[in-house]
Amino acid sequence: GENVEQHPSTLSVQEGDSAVIKCTYSDSASNYFPWYKQELGKGPQLIIDIRSNVGEKKDQRIAVTLNKTAKHFSLHITETQPEDSAVYFCAASTRGSQGNLIFGKGTKLSVKP
Amino acid sequence: KAGVTQTPRYLIKTRGQQVTLSCSPISGHRSVSWYQQTPGQGLQFLFEYFSETQRNKGNFPGRFSGRQFSNSRSEMNVSTLELGDSALYLCASSFASGKGDTQYFGPGTRLTVL
Repeated sequence: GENVEQHPSTLSVQEGDSAVIKCTYSDSASNYFPWYKQELGKGPQLIIDIRSNVGEKKDQRIAVTLNKTAKHFSLHITETQPEDSAVYFCAASTRGSQGNLIFGKGTKLSVKP
Repeated sequence: KAGVTQTPRYLIKTRGQQVTLSCSPISGHRSVSWYQQTPGQGLQFLFEYFSETQRNKGNFPGRFSGRQFSNSRSEMNVSTLELGDSALYLCASSFASGKGDTQYFGPGTRLTVL
């Protein structure tokens, strides 16, 4: 079955710097890759997603890139702010979002003011 | 639109008991998925329901079960609770148009088994 590996497990940056989180997946049939942000005491919140027919997607300070050949995708956050501090999860699915998302272990991002 | 709601938010049970958790999806969403989140195993898929039918199931024992009602609300049940069942149980809903829809998560139910 699908396996998603996420690195790093913790990431500390200064406010204003960029942060990059990387994930690799094993199943070449995976075609949907969402990223979620989880704050303490809350459920995961979708921040951006990408499908396999697209190589890059941007939304303001957040961007995701996908390399299908290498089977990896990355989250890029520019101009980080203290409120970006949270745990970020990548996920992969072989059937769009219908049912079964396989998640990475998460990255705890700390943005120091 | 109101988001995904889960009740209760917190539960404390003892080993051997059973528990039922409830999830109300976003209005108009027809698919509900359940996940278990623990510090050691992370987020793991339990099962997915669509139109009152279980459409997909993760690798969990039969003590974990669920159902979906005609209004798309869903419940999951865990019987004969074990200490290892302590976790945050998350519900996610999606429209399920068949074109690959985003899953939106609720705040979760924190289950503690003593």
